[in-house]
Amino acid sequence: SQELEQSPQSLIVQEGKNLTINCTSSKTLYGLYWYKQKYGEGLIFLMMLQKGGEEKSHEKITAKLDEKKQQSSLHITASQPSHAGIYLCGADEPYTGRRALTFGSGTRLQVQP
Amino acid sequence: DSGVTQTPKHLITATGQRVTLRCSPRSGDLSVYWYQQSLDQGLQFLIQYYNGEERAKGNILERFSAQQFPDLHSELNLSSLELGDSALYFCASSVPGGYGYTFGSGTRLTVV
Repeated sequence: SQELEQSPQSLIVQEGKNLTINCTSSKTLYGLYWYKQKYGEGLIFLMMLQKGGEEKSHEKITAKLDEKKQQSSLHITASQPSHAGIYLCGADEPYTGRRALTFGSGTRLQVQP
Repeated sequence: DSGVTQTPKHLITATGQRVTLRCSPRSGDLSVYWYQQSLDQGLQFLIQYYNGEERAKGNILERFSAQQFPDLHSELNLSSLELGDSALYFCASSVPGGYGYTFGSGTRLTVV
């Protein structure tokens, strides 16, 4: 089954700084999802990427999938305290018949005012 | 509100007991997925149901079972509970053939 490695595991940044979170797969990614989770709460969908080289943005968050479809990055511009939380990447394997998501271990982001 | 409803939000029970967690998927979604999130294991897929039938199994213990009813709501049954079963249990749903997964707010289970 697919394995996803996220880096860094945790991140502390000053408000206003940019940051990048990476997600690397052991296999080709057919669907890569980014979620945000506030501590102890549910997962909030951010973005989904499918095509090699694809890039999507929402507000100050940009996600990219590399051409080889084995690595994705999540970039936050001018971070704010509201960006704090755990960022999770998840991937499904539709061509194996398994539609459930496999998740990375998450990146804990703290934004200091 | 994501549209996926999980009850109860919190549950405290003793070791050896049995509990049932409930999930109502988003309107129109036929698939329901159960996940367990613990500090040491991260977010782990347990089981998937599609329109009442089991579709895929992940790291689900034999002490755990699930079902999906005709109205599409699902229940996760956890029995002979151990301290290590303490975790957040999430339910997610998706549309047929679609690529979106919507998560509920979870049930926090504490086994004492």
